[in-house]
Amino acid sequence: DARVTQTPRHKVTEMGQEVTMRCQPILGHNTVFWYRQTMMQGLELLAYFRNRAPLDDSGMPKDRFSAEMPDATLATLKIQPSEPRDSAVYFCASGSMGGGGSYNEQFFGPGTRLTVL
Amino acid sequence: AQTVTQSQPEMSVQEAETVTLSCTYDTSESNYYLFWYKQPPSRQMILVIRQEAYKQQNATENRFSVNFQKAAKSFSLKISDSQLGDTAMYFCAFRTSGTYKYIFGTGTRLKVLA
Repeated sequence: DARVTQTPRHKVTEMGQEVTMRCQPILGHNTVFWYRQTMMQGLELLAYFRNRAPLDDSGMPKDRFSAEMPDATLATLKIQPSEPRDSAVYFCASGSMGGGGSYNEQFFGPGTRLTVL
Repeated sequence: AQTVTQSQPEMSVQEAETVTLSCTYDTSESNYYLFWYKQPPSRQMILVIRQEAYKQQNATENRFSVNFQKAAKSFSLKISDSQLGDTAMYFCAFRTSGTYKYIFGTGTRLKVLA
């Protein structure tokens, strides 16, 4: 049963610390998305990659957030330095995009709940 | 700008009854995809149903069906024979065919009452 995995599932840290969240997309998927979910803003797209290349990171605060795909099996989202307003659930999703006019469905991971004190 | 609006923050329904969640969207594109996702308390986002804009026939998945009104830009979700396990947050989402970027609504929290 293929699924997207995310680590850690929970993270509590202090303001100013670096936070790294990891995502393993479903094998064979060529597109990876990072979302942030808060009560106030709902589900926001931060960035997404296709074939490991960043396509759009306009939703991401550039001064402190960075997203990378060092290889096809790993995507990372880093926050440095972290702030209390970054507290949220961060989701990774993957999909097989661009082929043959299909729905190009996204499959979501279980999320990382981040609390910045 | 493309937007998705879910005007019902919260709804409740009695077990075994039918409930409809509303969703409207705004786009100037003619070819796009629409989705309903379910997020139960476990936080896992699960695809419930999907619809291609060029298909006139409404999609159906077991107890879940949609009422897609393209001219009105409306995409409502109907849940029949509601079950306690349907209790969740439901998100409407939209994607144009020329992009992989999904736009989500703010969600409707549905509670199924025993």
